[in-house]
Amino acid sequence: DTGVSQDPRHKITKRGQNVTFRCDPISEHNRLYWYRQTLGQGPEFLTYFQNEAQLEKSRLLSDRFSAERPKGSFSTLEIQRTEQGDSAMYLCASSVQGANQPQHFGDGTRLSIL
Amino acid sequence: AQTVTQSQPEMSVQEAETVTLSCTYDTSESDYYLFWYKQPPSRQMILVIRQEAYKQQNATENRFSVNFQKAAKSFSLKISDSQLGDAAMYFCAYRGTQGGSEKLVFGKGTKLTVNP
Repeated sequence: DTGVSQDPRHKITKRGQNVTFRCDPISEHNRLYWYRQTLGQGPEFLTYFQNEAQLEKSRLLSDRFSAERPKGSFSTLEIQRTEQGDSAMYLCASSVQGANQPQHFGDGTRLSIL
Repeated sequence: AQTVTQSQPEMSVQEAETVTLSCTYDTSESDYYLFWYKQPPSRQMILVIRQEAYKQQNATENRFSVNFQKAAKSFSLKISDSQLGDAAMYFCAYRGTQGGSEKLVFGKGTKLTVNP
């Protein structure tokens, strides 16, 4: 069990640019989640996948955000035309199926918009 | 919509002492799960303890235990024999079982400082 891996750890970009983050879940976990955490707040849910199917999206996930998990393994989160308000920590988590199963989090990708 | 409230933005405790972190939540569901996560500075969030709402017995994990009061919708975390390594942000989280939602709903967190 190597844990949930996220890349990059930190991304600095100019406003208006596109960015893409990657998440590699724990290998036997079929569920994968994305959260956003801003300073002084708890994580907020963005979206989740079961295998390759995206089953739930938050209203926080505007049209500029898109997430994929094409083969049911790793996932990418893309933000197009970044805005200042997108600056945050983006957390990925994974779990096995089951309502009582805990979600295991990665280290996160910190996005800074100049 | 479910909400989670952590009313203590910051708490401090002396090493080896006991501290209790508060959490309340609002839900109309009868079956759900509650979690406490720990997030050390610049490190990943890790699960501390979890509680199933259908279980009356409070969960314990070594020095960590909860006081789950379902009627009051309260879920506090007690840390006994506090250690320097316990210093972190602590987040209370709720997960419902209705409507197929798998998301965790988090509180704003409590920053715990452990003084030597």
